[in-house]
Amino acid sequence: DGGITQSPKYLFRKEGQNVTLSCEQNLNHDAMYWYRQDPGQGLRLIYYSQIVNDFQKGDIAEGYSVSREKKESFPLTVTSAQKNPTAFYLCASSIGTGAFYDYTFGSGTRLTVV
Amino acid sequence: SQELEQSPQSLIVQEGKNLTINCTSSKTLYGLYWYKQKYGEGLIFLMMLQKGGEEKSHEKITAKLDEKKQQSSLHITASQPSHAGIYLCGAPDSGGYQKVTFGTGTKLQVIP
Repeated sequence: DGGITQSPKYLFRKEGQNVTLSCEQNLNHDAMYWYRQDPGQGLRLIYYSQIVNDFQKGDIAEGYSVSREKKESFPLTVTSAQKNPTAFYLCASSIGTGAFYDYTFGSGTRLTVV
Repeated sequence: SQELEQSPQSLIVQEGKNLTINCTSSKTLYGLYWYKQKYGEGLIFLMMLQKGGEEKSHEKITAKLDEKKQQSSLHITASQPSHAGIYLCGAPDSGGYQKVTFGTGTKLQVIP
């Protein structure tokens, strides 16, 4: 079955460390997205990519970095520059952009800074 | 930028009761998604609406986009414990459909 796989489900990070969250999809979707979810704030867009080797900053990109070397993969690195990284991170994909497509979401990664 | 306000923020209903969740946009909507989320999990797609006045139903859930395309409502008939979760509306923030802005969510609890 096609879908999006996020790993790990839970991640603990020490202050000052970079960590990378994995997102893999086998839906043959062109567009992929990273969202951050905090209690009471809904989802906020970190980065998105419409095509391989291209990505754009979302609303809260500071302290994060991404790459899109393969169509199937869109890893997110949370750097030490992110001041408040503890949150629930969701990856999503869609067939493309430029039209009204629904998103498919992964099951999320909960990151905790210890 | 577009803002989506959902109301109520939380809702507790008895099993079998009907309920409505609203999503109001600060700008005219190009389209509107409804998703459901179980706590600590990903979002499950429910429906998407694009035309003013459009109404869609799936099982006991009905969503409607108003004629002016600035508000959407999600109605659940005869609620069940399986309906419990967080309901989020989302909307593309421009005609380019490149980004989606989500509302803050409505937490629904259904008491048996």
